[in-house]
Order: sequence, then C-alpha cells, then structure tokens
Amino acid sequence: QKEVEQNSGPLSVPEGAIASLNCTYSDRVSQSFFWYRQYSGKSPELIMSIYSNGDKEDGRFTAQLNKASQYVSLLIRDSQPSDSATYLCAGGLNQGGKLIFGQGTELSVKP
Amino acid sequence: DGGITQSPKYLFRKEGQNVTLSCEQNLNHDAMYWYRQDPGQGLRLIYYSQIVNDFQKGDIAEGYSVSREKKESFPLTVTSAQKNPTAFYLCASSPPGALYEQYFGPGTRLTVT
Repeated sequence: QKEVEQNSGPLSVPEGAIASLNCTYSDRVSQSFFWYRQYSGKSPELIMSIYSNGDKEDGRFTAQLNKASQYVSLLIRDSQPSDSATYLCAGGLNQGGKLIFGQGTELSVKP
Repeated sequence: DGGITQSPKYLFRKEGQNVTLSCEQNLNHDAMYWYRQDPGQGLRLIYYSQIVNDFQKGDIAEGYSVSREKKESFPLTVTSAQKNPTAFYLCASSPPGALYEQYFGPGTRLTVT
C-alpha cells in the first residue's frame, strides 16, 4: 500500500456543486494531514490542515479526518471554475519529519 | 514581504553540466526541503535540512547535492550524475514547531537537453 493514496481523477463537477476529494493513508503516516491546491504550472499552496478526528471548516472548504478508517477528505462547497486545479493530500511520516504526498486529484469545475 | 523565493523560474542546461538552483526564505523557518515533481506525479523529496549545517537525504537524493550554511538559504545542485534532471523543482520551508506544515516557493523548471 502506498503511504498516501489519492484517486488521480479527473473529477468533474458542475459549478455550484460540492466537490469531494478523498485520500487514504497507511500506518506509517502520522495524524497530521494537509491539503494543497496546485494550479497548472504553479507551486502547491497550503489550503487546509487537520490534526484531530472530525471536521474542520474554513470558508467553502471542509477537511475531514477519520483515524479509524485512515481516511481524510476535502469538501469544496459551491464549487467555482477558479477551484479547477490539482489537489494534493499530504501526511506526516511517523518518524523523520517527512511529509508524504499523494499523486494528486485533478478537479475540473464546469460553468 | 515574507516569503520563499526561488530563482531562476526557468533554467536550460546542456547534458553533462552541473546546475545550482537557489532557494531563499525570510520567514525565520528552521526547516527547508527540496522536492522534484514530474508530469502527472506527486512530489518526491530530494533533501531536507532541519537546522543550519545539517541535512538529510530524501527518497531520491542520487545525483543531487545541497548545502545549508545559512538559515535563510538552501541551494540545490543538480549534478551530471542525475540521469533524468528535467523536472519542476520545488523548495519548501516549515515554521518552528510545525515541522509538517510546509510552504512552497514558486519553483524552478529545469530543462536539460
């Protein structure tokens, strides 16, 4: 099993819909998780962090962490075309201070 | 303005030449990282440094070298030993006490022909 795994997509949603991005992780990954947004040709931008079980909301974004299922997700409400990007899930390795990235999920929001 | 700068944005080199990519930060972050990203792939860790004058190999360190003589600077040298150097190179740093919370610079796109 990869340490952090995401569906590569692409995920296509209509404007105004909820986009749901998912990520699973292995036992080697700690409880610190991050979502990065990467526009084409640009560097990743940190948009959400989550450290404890449950939901964390920031504007239109909600991160969810389920430790029992080793599952972390990002919900984007009222999706906009400007949300079209690749979203990278990342988790901290239990030892060594390294951050492990998933392959990324490409999101396309259609007007 | 605080931030992470990488230069140049685009870099072209001939095969067999060493090239050094710059990364500077004025955020007072202790830890700095170098990643490589290839099309359609996630980020792979090349080297990282948690304090000045100390650094560790990441998952794909072969063909690369780094130095950390100052807290603000973490240059990466891509040597001629790196078999496939063409890639998007990203530098990141993390604040004290938040080792996993990494912030990225704008990146350098290296093309070797």
